[in-house]
Amino acid sequence: QVQLQESGPGLVKPSGTLSLTCAVSGGSISSSNWWSWVRQPPGKGLEWIGEIYHSGSTNYNPSLKSRVTISVDKSKNQFSLKLSSVTAADTAVYYCARGIVWGADPPERYFDYWGQGTLVTVSS
Amino acid sequence: QSVLTQPPSVSGAPGQRVTISCTGSSSNIGAGYDVHWYQQLPGTAPKLLIYGNSNRPSGVPDRFSGSKSGTSASLAITGLQAEDEADYYCQSYDSSLSGSEVFGTGTKVTVL
Repeated sequence: QVQLQESGPGLVKPSGTLSLTCAVSGGSISSSNWWSWVRQPPGKGLEWIGEIYHSGSTNYNPSLKSRVTISVDKSKNQFSLKLSSVTAADTAVYYCARGIVWGADPPERYFDYWGQGTLVTVSS
Repeated sequence: QSVLTQPPSVSGAPGQRVTISCTGSSSNIGAGYDVHWYQQLPGTAPKLLIYGNSNRPSGVPDRFSGSKSGTSASLAITGLQAEDEADYYCQSYDSSLSGSEVFGTGTKVTVL
C-alpha cells in the first residue's frame, strides 16, 4: 500500500518561498508513475500545480509555471515543491499525489494515492 | 478558475439516485480526453472514485458509475447512502495554453 506524507512549514511570509516535501513509502518513486502536487484553498476547489517523473522531467500548470519548481530525490524516495513570491492567494491545503499514466501524449493522468494534505498559510 | 463546470450542489433522499454533471469544452472533454472522478469527505484528502470515464477502482461500490458524451461527463450515485455526503470533483486534461490537468468546480452532495 503506497503512502504519501507531506511535510514543511505551515506559515510562510508574503513574497517568500513555500517549500514542501512529500515522502513516499510502500513503493518506489522510480516506478512508472508521475508524482504531483495539488492544492485546495480553504473552502474552494482543487488545483493541479505540477508533476515530476523520477528522471527529473516535469510538467507544470501554466498559470503557476513561473513560480513553481518540483524536484525529486530518489535516494530518499521523496519529491519536493517550491513556490516562490507567495501571496495570501497561495494559502491552501497542499496535497501530494501519485499520478497514473492514462495517456502518454498529451500526458493524461489520474491520481490514485494522495497524502493527507498540509495547510500552508501565507501571512506576515 | 476551473474550465470544468459542475453544479454547486445536489441532494437526494436515502436510496434515491443522483447525478452530477461535469461540463467542459473542445479543449478538454470534447477533445476526447477522459474524465476521472474523486470523492472528498469533510476534512480528508480526495479519493479516486472513477477513472477513465467509467472504471471503478477496487473497493469502490458499484453504486457509483460514470459516463461521458460530447463535451460533458456524469457521475451517478444510485441507492444514495448517508456516507455518500461529500464533495465530488471531476478531472481531465486540458490542451489549451501549454496543457494541464484540470479539476471541476466541485459538487456538494447532501443526503436529506
